[in-house]
Amino acid sequence: KAGVTQTPRYLIKTRGQQVTLSCSPISGHRSVSWYQQTPGQGLQFLFEYFSETQRNKGNFPGRFSGRQFSNSRSEMNVSTLELGDSALYLCASSLRGGDEQFFGPGTRLTVL
Amino acid sequence: GENVEQHPSTLSVQEGDSAVIKCTYSDSASNYFPWYKQELGKRPQLIIDIRSNVGEKKDQRIAVTLNKTAKHFSLHITETQPEDSAVYFCAARAAGNKLTFGGGTRVLVKP
Repeated sequence: KAGVTQTPRYLIKTRGQQVTLSCSPISGHRSVSWYQQTPGQGLQFLFEYFSETQRNKGNFPGRFSGRQFSNSRSEMNVSTLELGDSALYLCASSLRGGDEQFFGPGTRLTVL
Repeated sequence: GENVEQHPSTLSVQEGDSAVIKCTYSDSASNYFPWYKQELGKRPQLIIDIRSNVGEKKDQRIAVTLNKTAKHFSLHITETQPEDSAVYFCAARAAGNKLTFGGGTRVLVKP
């Protein structure tokens, strides 16, 4: 069974631009969660989607948004990028959301 | 919301010794406690998890204990090996809620 995949793996953007990251969960998994990982802040929860509905949301500004499609693939968007948005963005999928999460390799975003 | 604190932030042990990482959580409704290992440049991977109806769980050299009354849980690694060097994250989750991670522990196993 294929694991969680994320595209692109690396991104370089400039301040003010916007970016869209994609996550394909393990086949059959309906829950996708997104996390921001930085050296100083660890793993910070962004949001969780289950069956195309946002089920939980973290404490991030409205510039961060996401969605989930009927095939469970998920995207997150960050608008008006700031230098502080530079981080590794990880997505994780699970069958129902309350069970084991499997992480993707992450997208490393650099904002210049 | 849930708050998870993890200690220590760094841990250096001699190969063959044991390593213990401790976490406390704030939400008494939390019932799922996973531990993830993240090697340098790689994704976090689940190494063991425990649910609130169990007090201890073992898997070869690793074990997790849970004290619901005190709201803390711990990871124990015995007979540490160089390949155990990584960052370890604890996490806690109440049903229907998000998974909240601790700040991580960098473990270095010296040969």
